[in-house]
Amino acid sequence: EAQVTQNPRYLITVTGKKLTVTCSQNMNHEYMSWYRQDPGLGLRQIYYSMNVEVTDKGDVPEGYKVSRKEKRNFPLILESPSPNQTSLYFCASSPGGDVNEQYFGPGTRLTVT
Amino acid sequence: QQPVQSPQAVILREGEDAVINCSSSKALYSVHWYRQKHGEAPVFLMILLKGGEQKGHDKISASFNEKKQQSSLYLTASQLSYSGTYFCGTEAGGYNKLIFGAGTRLAVHP
Repeated sequence: EAQVTQNPRYLITVTGKKLTVTCSQNMNHEYMSWYRQDPGLGLRQIYYSMNVEVTDKGDVPEGYKVSRKEKRNFPLILESPSPNQTSLYFCASSPGGDVNEQYFGPGTRLTVT
Repeated sequence: QQPVQSPQAVILREGEDAVINCSSSKALYSVHWYRQKHGEAPVFLMILLKGGEQKGHDKISASFNEKKQQSSLYLTASQLSYSGTYFCGTEAGGYNKLIFGAGTRLAVHP
């Protein structure tokens, strides 16, 4: 089954404790992205990747890091989480080209206290 | 800049029609439409490309006016299953840099 998986689905952590949210896709997609969703703000892109070792900043990259060492994986790293990073996070992959449909993972709800 | 969606919320009875608008200040390469049900991930509905035709998906269709940098999503004869939040996403540069609007909440009641 074609899918994007994220782990963990729920995470409660404390300020400053480094964490990683994993994302994996099995569709051989070139493009992958991370979004955060906050009430009233829609989905905001954090980082995106066009291929292995090629990443670029989205609209809200501060406080986040990413890496793309393999085509299927695109982890999101919060080196020193802060309460304003409490949010719902979605990973997405897409094939590129004209019909660049985004396939979203199930989401990770992160709470930073 | 984030595209502007209107209205912010719509309440319908089954069978009624609705239009959701998406407006950008930038010249656009494409417009995506997604629907998100409560507690779930967004799901792709359709994409409209610059120079392309109006798209349709069951009783949901969309148009893209490149000159006005606007897109509209048309929901006809709405069903209960149409309830959710609808997002437009715009691509200006064509490099997967998708910018989403704040969303339009649609509730369909019996």
